[in-house]
Amino acid sequence: SQQGEEDPQALSIQEGENATMNCSYKTSINNLQWYRQNSGRGLVHLILIRSNEREKHSGRLRVTLDTSKKSSSLLITASRAADTASYFCATARPGSSNTGKLIFGQGTTLQVKP
Amino acid sequence: KAGVTQTPRYLIKTRGQQVTLSCSPISGHRSVSWYQQTPGQGLQFLFEYFSETQRNKGNFPGRFSGRQFSNSRSEMNVSTLELGDSALYLCASSGTSGTSSYEQYFGPGTRLTVT
Repeated sequence: SQQGEEDPQALSIQEGENATMNCSYKTSINNLQWYRQNSGRGLVHLILIRSNEREKHSGRLRVTLDTSKKSSSLLITASRAADTASYFCATARPGSSNTGKLIFGQGTTLQVKP
Repeated sequence: KAGVTQTPRYLIKTRGQQVTLSCSPISGHRSVSWYQQTPGQGLQFLFEYFSETQRNKGNFPGRFSGRQFSNSRSEMNVSTLELGDSALYLCASSGTSGTSSYEQYFGPGTRLTVT
């Protein structure tokens, strides 16, 4: 069963606007990751934030993590049509034996209109 | 480095048959994980293999099995196929050092349709 819930399920914005997606999880984590998936293809790793970090940036991406609320958010600034995709958060439990097991949220489908 | 490759990309099978899917990880990666993606259940973890041993297992029936070879290539097998097994099966590999061992690199997936 999945432990991540994402909000909203779908988001439609105009090019140039910012997109914010939220993720909540249930158990303790080692880290939380965000992935992008285009049209039912393989997932692409975007960013990883560790449980002792609160914010991380990568290009136009900004991720925050609040372990007290068990939640994370992904902000994509100055969105482009090419950002149209599904975005998933995924958590990894503590323990070195859990590195290969990710629990995914339901995903947010983002549409960026030109 | 070449990415994760999966074969075949598309597959159509009949109920009751069995199927074997193959995954070749990124060179040097020893961990291979498998996921099932369906519109209803989303992305669900099937199992993970590390150095030829199953290290983690998800909540799937015994009809789903896998193995890993000494060159880290992995196969998953589904026996006695059911209509509900129709899904995109994704394979991912990861490295072994520090935080990067958590970052997974996904293949393009195998689209399985059971009729």
